[in-house]
Amino acid sequence: SQKIEQNSEALNIQEGKTATLTCNYTNYSPAYLQWYRQDPGRGPVFLLLIRENEKEKRKERLKVTFDTTLKQSLFHITASQPADSATYLCALDKAGYSTLTFGKGTMLLVSP
Amino acid sequence: GAGVSQSPSNKVTEKGKDVELRCDPISGHTALYWYRQSLGQGLEFLIYFQGNSAPDKSGLPSDRFSAERTGGSVSTLTIQRTQQEDSAVYLCASSSPTRVQETQYFGPGTRLLVL
Repeated sequence: SQKIEQNSEALNIQEGKTATLTCNYTNYSPAYLQWYRQDPGRGPVFLLLIRENEKEKRKERLKVTFDTTLKQSLFHITASQPADSATYLCALDKAGYSTLTFGKGTMLLVSP
Repeated sequence: GAGVSQSPSNKVTEKGKDVELRCDPISGHTALYWYRQSLGQGLEFLIYFQGNSAPDKSGLPSDRFSAERTGGSVSTLTIQRTQQEDSAVYLCASSSPTRVQETQYFGPGTRLLVL
């Protein structure tokens, strides 16, 4: 069956370091993959979308890679700040459906 | 412009009662989604509306759950005979007609607690 896996353990890093979050999937052939940020008590906010034919996408301090062979996406935040502390969700489209399937998310904690 | 809004923001109800949750999508967005997020869990897809097409109800967990979308805009999610396991945050999202399968804009959610 289709599965999306994100680290359930929180990632703790120090301010200024690069945070790297992982999204692995099985039994999917997504056309694209998205990353969202969710703060406590709020709905998710879209960050980046990367298509299956793209290896890497950048936006300011954010970088996403997409390896369709490994079935993995990496989400990087460079020069991390305490304000980056949140839960980050990856989401995949499902062929033939107009909806997204979300992973459970990984909490990132950036200490000053 | 205004984002997706949801009401009420919090709802406490007694087991067995019916509840209605409302979603106002971004103006002009033809696609509307409902999700449920339980504590420590990911987003669980419930139902999807796209324009005048029949909704995709494949995620509704039981026949106690139903949703309507009137006039292609506002949507109401109804849970009948609520159970304690229905306690969760119910999130609504909408997306643009030109990017239906892509960026989703979420509302703040309705936190439902069934006692």
